[in-house]
Amino acid sequence: GAGVSQSPSNKVTEKGKDVELRCDPISGHTALYWYRQRLGQGLEFLIYFQGNSAPDKSGLPSDRFSAERTGESVSTLTIQRTQQEDSAVYLCASSLGWSRGPSPLHFGNGTRLTVT
Amino acid sequence: AQSVTQLGSHVSVSEGALVLLRCNYSSSVPPYLFWYVQYPNQGLQLLLKYTSAATLVKGINGFEAEFKKSETSFHLTKPSAHMSDAAEYFCAVSDPDFGNEKLTFGTGTRLTIIP
Repeated sequence: GAGVSQSPSNKVTEKGKDVELRCDPISGHTALYWYRQRLGQGLEFLIYFQGNSAPDKSGLPSDRFSAERTGESVSTLTIQRTQQEDSAVYLCASSLGWSRGPSPLHFGNGTRLTVT
Repeated sequence: AQSVTQLGSHVSVSEGALVLLRCNYSSSVPPYLFWYVQYPNQGLQLLLKYTSAATLVKGINGFEAEFKKSETSFHLTKPSAHMSDAAEYFCAVSDPDFGNEKLTFGTGTRLTIIP
């Protein structure tokens, strides 16, 4: 079946430009997560959604980062005025939510963002 | 806030040898714990999870992990390494402040298998 889909798979942008990253979760998954993985580092939590609301936005690095989710489906992560330190792989994951106990996260293949 | 420490960013073992990847967590209450694996050029996938049902958890591909509350550890082991085990492994802990939905990941351990 269809997994978590992220687009674009690769994005090269100039410093100062805005970028928008898209995540299509698995159908029926209520929870959606964004993580960032810098080269040689672990997964850095950014934000997660339960439905269309975001209980925890504490991981967003600065006010240049924002995310939204509509229709309990697609989510977009927007980075304004990109900086070179924003270069990383941005991973999206979705799950059934935890109402019935721990549900595994299903990850997409990520968007590799390079800011020049 | 929860945190996870993975000792050793790189681990190398010979084919057929024991694999031991270490994970320690900090949590005020017993958490849910997970190991995820990322094979080359693939997305992360769940290897196994601890949900308080049993302290020794078996996962896919012969891996298992033991939850030790007294040591706040959840180390991953496999008795005999195979070449196909070469990958990056991430330990993760749930956050009870967010209904355990939020997962915090460690920095990962890259496992290399020596032929």
